[in-house]
Amino acid sequence: AQSVTQLDSQVPVFEEAPVELRCNYSSSVSVYLFWYVQYPNQGLQLLLKYLSGSTLVESINGFEAEFNKSQTSFHLRKPSVHISDTAEYFCAVKTSYDKVIFGPGTSLSVIP
Amino acid sequence: NAGVTQTPKFQVLKTGQSMTLQCAQDMNHEYMSWYRQDPGMGLRLIHYSVGAGITDQGEVPNGYNVSRSTTEDFPLRLLSAAPSQTSVYFCASSLAWDRAYGYTFGSGTRLTVV
Repeated sequence: AQSVTQLDSQVPVFEEAPVELRCNYSSSVSVYLFWYVQYPNQGLQLLLKYLSGSTLVESINGFEAEFNKSQTSFHLRKPSVHISDTAEYFCAVKTSYDKVIFGPGTSLSVIP
Repeated sequence: NAGVTQTPKFQVLKTGQSMTLQCAQDMNHEYMSWYRQDPGMGLRLIHYSVGAGITDQGEVPNGYNVSRSTTEDFPLRLLSAAPSQTSVYFCASSLAWDRAYGYTFGSGTRLTVV
């Protein structure tokens, strides 16, 4: 069975500093990987996804994530965060013909 | 282009009452699902549907029923509300369940059972 681990439940970071949100998964087959963002009092929005090909994927607002098969990781990074990045971030994994499994989430707080 | 619409946004129920949370999507998505979100527990799948007329249980189905008579609608019924069902409920849809399409989420229903 698949599972997703997000090692940090809360990550405080100063504005304009870099941030990394960690995600590890377990699966015995090929996976598709996703990061979702949830702003306060809203639903989740797809941030980026890895399907195949290049292991580095980027979002339109400056986040990137790198798929590392040997370490079964899909960490999310941003070189310089803004106040508006304060949100909950969820890593998710899917295999073909199976449901998406979400991690427990990481709360990112950007400090002015 | 409404996406996924959930109603109501807020609801307070008394223990033992029943109600239906509505979910509708206008994107012709095959796959629809219901999640509940609780602090520290992430999202847990309640029920899902891979197409009209087809539903199945997720991780935490007890106390909930679903049906999918049309592609667009996927209501979630609470049969006899309990305080343990106090949560935020999200409906999510995807173009097809067997491909790696991302999910589109509704804005959620915050339910309190007293």
